[in-house]
Amino acid sequence: DVKVTQSSRYLVKRTGEKVFLECVQDMDHENMFWYRQDPGLGLRLIYFSYDVKMKEKGDIPEGYSVSREKKERFSLILESASTNQTSMYLCASSLVEFNLLRLGQEQFFGPGTRLTVL
Amino acid sequence: KQEVTQIPAALSVPEGENLVLNCSFTDSAIYNLQWFRQDPGKGLTSLLLIQSSQREQTSGRLNASLDKSSGRSTLYIAASQPGDSATYLCAVTLRFQKLVFGTGTRLLVSP
Repeated sequence: DVKVTQSSRYLVKRTGEKVFLECVQDMDHENMFWYRQDPGLGLRLIYFSYDVKMKEKGDIPEGYSVSREKKERFSLILESASTNQTSMYLCASSLVEFNLLRLGQEQFFGPGTRLTVL
Repeated sequence: KQEVTQIPAALSVPEGENLVLNCSFTDSAIYNLQWFRQDPGKGLTSLLLIQSSQREQTSGRLNASLDKSSGRSTLYIAASQPGDSATYLCAVTLRFQKLVFGTGTRLLVSP
């Protein structure tokens, strides 16, 4: 079974702190993703990575950065946490799409990190 | 821009009923469509994935259909149980495996 783990289930930080959210997957997936989930807004993509040291902005990258030094690990960084970044953060991974067959791959999600910024 | 809508936003049914959840999307240029389940405060569990070339997928009491030309998918749950209570999300997959999610249907199955 694919397993995606996130370093913390709950996290409380203060405004201005630098925050690291870690995600690890154990199935050798090429793609990894960070989403945030807010009531009424649903899940929104922050950043994604399709290879080591590669990163692409999603729909709401402002205020975030990411790091992917190893294939299995994808970190989300809040350089200076703000109260509007209080949210549920979800990490996901998938195999790369097979362009020849144009198949989309299933995404597997971690348990989430509930971040509160005071 | 792709938009995904789910109707109804909330649904309450007695145990044993068959039910249908709806998902619609505005752009038919998708790779696949996934249905997820989310329990309160938890992550997402993948239920079914339908490739864009397929019409339906089944897993146990769940059946999902896809009509790409009309931009619609349905999730059918047979003989609902209290353990099915959760929020159900649909998401379409775009290029680079980017997912666009609906806002979900919150289901409550009462004993």
